Amino acid sequence: QQQVKQSPQSLIVQKGGISIINCAYENTAFDYFPWYQQFPGKGPALLIAIRPDVSEKKEGRFTISFNKSAKQFSLHIMDSQPGDSATYFCAAVVDDMRFGAGTRLTVKP
Amino acid sequence: IAGITQAPTSQILAAGRRMTLRCTQDMRHNAMYWYRQDLGLGLRLIHYSNTAGTTGKGEVPDGYSVSRANTDDFPLTLASAVPSQTSVYFCASSSGQGETQYFGPGTRLLVL
Repeated sequence: QQQVKQSPQSLIVQKGGISIINCAYENTAFDYFPWYQQFPGKGPALLIAIRPDVSEKKEGRFTISFNKSAKQFSLHIMDSQPGDSATYFCAAVVDDMRFGAGTRLTVKP
Repeated sequence: IAGITQAPTSQILAAGRRMTLRCTQDMRHNAMYWYRQDLGLGLRLIHYSNTAGTTGKGEVPDGYSVSRANTDDFPLTLASAVPSQTSVYFCASSSGQGETQYFGPGTRLLVL
């Protein structure tokens, strides 16, 4: 049973466009929501994270939107660049970390 | 600072053989984790250790064992490998339970 559901599975965006990846969770005990970025042949690396006491967090071109009542959170990548092409994982943490299945993002030049 | 190192980088293993994947961190993190990554399934937790001397089972522990003799090392052993254990294995560490996890580069394992 996947505790964190992520969509879409894959995403193709033109350079300069906005990439949006969505995640939903069931367990209301989750209290930390990180996003990881993974390039081919590499391990996942922390990109940005949010705690449920705020509704939005922005770091450069990356923004997390968090809707506690809907139990949903999303990653927005503004002005998407070819270098952003990677697989993105959302996760939810209480004692351990549960990952979404991942979204493969391709940004076309 | 290397962070987390894993060895080997990749391995082809005959079914039934024993294999130990090595993981070492130099961040003095208390908690360490082993995940497997399979296409369409994301990362699934195999085993974890919240502190040296303790270990726990994750989501998919069957066929795997771990030990945590000291803070830095967290080896993962496949006692008798099966083809379904073909995967990419990632070790991770964090300063504590529920904190940000930092991942190693992974070990690609093919069991034939």
